[in-house]
Amino acid sequence: KAGVTQTPRYLIKTRGQQVTLSCSPISGHRSVSWYQQTPGQGLQFLFEYFSETQRNKGNFPGRFSGRQFSNSRSEMNVSTLELGDSALYLCASSLAGYFQETQYFGPGTRLLVL
Amino acid sequence: GQQVMQIPQYQHVQEGEDFTTYCNSSTTLSNIQWYKQRPGGHPVFLIQLVKSGEVKKQKRLTFQFGEAKKNSSLHITATQTTDVGTYFCAGKGGGLTGGGNKLTFGTGTQLKVEL
Repeated sequence: KAGVTQTPRYLIKTRGQQVTLSCSPISGHRSVSWYQQTPGQGLQFLFEYFSETQRNKGNFPGRFSGRQFSNSRSEMNVSTLELGDSALYLCASSLAGYFQETQYFGPGTRLLVL
Repeated sequence: GQQVMQIPQYQHVQEGEDFTTYCNSSTTLSNIQWYKQRPGGHPVFLIQLVKSGEVKKQKRLTFQFGEAKKNSSLHITATQTTDVGTYFCAGKGGGLTGGGNKLTFGTGTQLKVEL
């Protein structure tokens, strides 16, 4: 079974631009979560999508948004990029997000904002 | 909100020495997961603990979940260079419904192993 894939793997943008990142979960997985990883803040939860609906949300500004498609693929968008948005963005998938499920992480998209 | 702290932040050991990282949550956890992230890599799931006082072993790794379900530890016996990486604990909030995946990650412990 193929793992979680994320595209692109690397991205360079400038302040004020917007960016869209993509995540394809493991086949059959319907829950997709997004995390931001930075040296200063560590791994922080952004949001989770299940059946095309946002089910959980972290404490990030409205510039960060996401969506999920009927095939469970997910995208996240960051508008009006700031320097502090430079980070590794990780996507994780699981079957349905139930109590004891394991999440599987993708390789991440490394975003650099100049 | 829920906070999960890990100590130590860094640990530098000689190959063959033991290593322990501790994880403490400000609130009761429904379960705790442990991940390993190699330099330049992504978090890889190691194990999940669910029951109060649970202990699980994976070869040289021993994981414990505290009785109050607010703390956990990972112990590696006789470290090897392949153990290098950052170890994260991650907790899900209390309650049994587990409505969705919202993991709160610990701050991580970076392990370096010297020959």
